[in-house]
Amino acid sequence: AQSVTQPDIHITVSEGASLELRCNYSYGATPYLFWYVQSPGQGLQLLLKYFSGDTLVQGIKGFEAEFKRSQSSFNLRKPSVHWSDAAEYFCAVGDSSGTYKYIFGTGTRLKVLA
Amino acid sequence: DTGVSQDPRHKITKRGQNVTFRCDPISEHNRLYWYRQTLGQGPEFLTYFQNEAQLEKSRLLSDRFSAERPKGSFSTLEIQRTEQGDSAMYLCAGQPNSGNTIYFGEGSWLTVV
Repeated sequence: AQSVTQPDIHITVSEGASLELRCNYSYGATPYLFWYVQSPGQGLQLLLKYFSGDTLVQGIKGFEAEFKRSQSSFNLRKPSVHWSDAAEYFCAVGDSSGTYKYIFGTGTRLKVLA
Repeated sequence: DTGVSQDPRHKITKRGQNVTFRCDPISEHNRLYWYRQTLGQGPEFLTYFQNEAQLEKSRLLSDRFSAERPKGSFSTLEIQRTEQGDSAMYLCAGQPNSGNTIYFGEGSWLTVV
């Protein structure tokens, strides 16, 4: 069965520091992978996605993620965090077999210190 | 703008009452999804429509829940005889036939008191 694990429930970084959020997935075939961000009380905004090809994908707001098949990982990175990046981040794996429904991780809440 | 709007954004209801949420995606979104998100959790898949046909339902969708998309455009999610455990955010998402990305609306918060 498909699953997504985000090992870090909370992460705190200082503004200007680098960031890496971890995501591990379990899926039988080549997965579709996504990172979404959610501000309090809001819906989900797509940051970036991986379907195939180049394993390093660029997204909005200066985020990037790297797909590593051997490690079943799709970690999200940002070289320099801004205070406005404080939010909850969700990794998701998409079902490529038909419905394209997503399985989400439990999220990582990012706190940014000024 | 994701092209998906939801109404109402917030609903407080008494236990036992019925509630209905509406989702309006843009016409390009042939596929429509409903998800539920409880505090501290990621969204969980509830159901999926291809145009007007409901093609998949999660086991999370109990008999008290019903979703429709009568003309393949807007969709409604009704919860009958609400329980406190139904308190959550209900997210609607749209997807074009030609794409693999799901675009979420802002969500509808339900609080059952």
